[in-house]
Amino acid sequence: QVQLQQWGAGLLKSSETLSLTCAVYGGSFATYYWSWVRQPPGKGLEWIGEITDGGHTNYNPALNDRVFISADASKSQFSLRLTSVTAADTAVYFCTRTPSRYYGLDHWGQGTLVTVSS
Amino acid sequence: DIQLTQSPSTLSASVGDSVTITCRASQSVDSWLAWYQQKPGKAPKLLIYAASGLESGVSSRFSGSESGTEFTLTISGLQSDDFAVYYCQQYYAYPLTFGGGTRVDIK
Repeated sequence: QVQLQQWGAGLLKSSETLSLTCAVYGGSFATYYWSWVRQPPGKGLEWIGEITDGGHTNYNPALNDRVFISADASKSQFSLRLTSVTAADTAVYFCTRTPSRYYGLDHWGQGTLVTVSS
Repeated sequence: DIQLTQSPSTLSASVGDSVTITCRASQSVDSWLAWYQQKPGKAPKLLIYAASGLESGVSSRFSGSESGTEFTLTISGLQSDDFAVYYCQQYYAYPLTFGGGTRVDIK
């Protein structure tokens, strides 16, 4: 049974850096794509970016080069860093898995609410 | 970016009804579209991939179809557990994008 467990700071001030980590349990880390998705309170879903099994990253241009996703395969973990946060970055952040470039997001973490205060 | 427009935004239905949600893409996404169900306070759950593929473990009451750039999710025989918000998502092109969501609530 694959499980994604995520953690990180839940309260930040404007201009600080958001940092979240997601650990994968019960399944392989290799050959999958690992993504981050966020959801502002009461709103819809926004894809942040992904890291592929080859270590290549793809990011949402809407985040204006503030995002960085990395992975440590030896620990079966991947991480999100989002710099210079503002109140607009307040959201629940989810880590996710997809088996390939052409599949849906089939496993999700429990979500972490990150609140940015001014 | 590829825009996904879902309709309706809210749908009221009764247990036992069959309901259909539509997702229209601003350009071709081939068949690379997924549907998710999200309940309050929970992560989304993958229901359908590749427009009509049923994810393992998902009830066969859920089905997906496509016609050009219009995709539909149909829930047959609505059950109380199905009242939730549903999202479509395209993974044909970066950035991956989601529809605005459709809330299915009890009439």
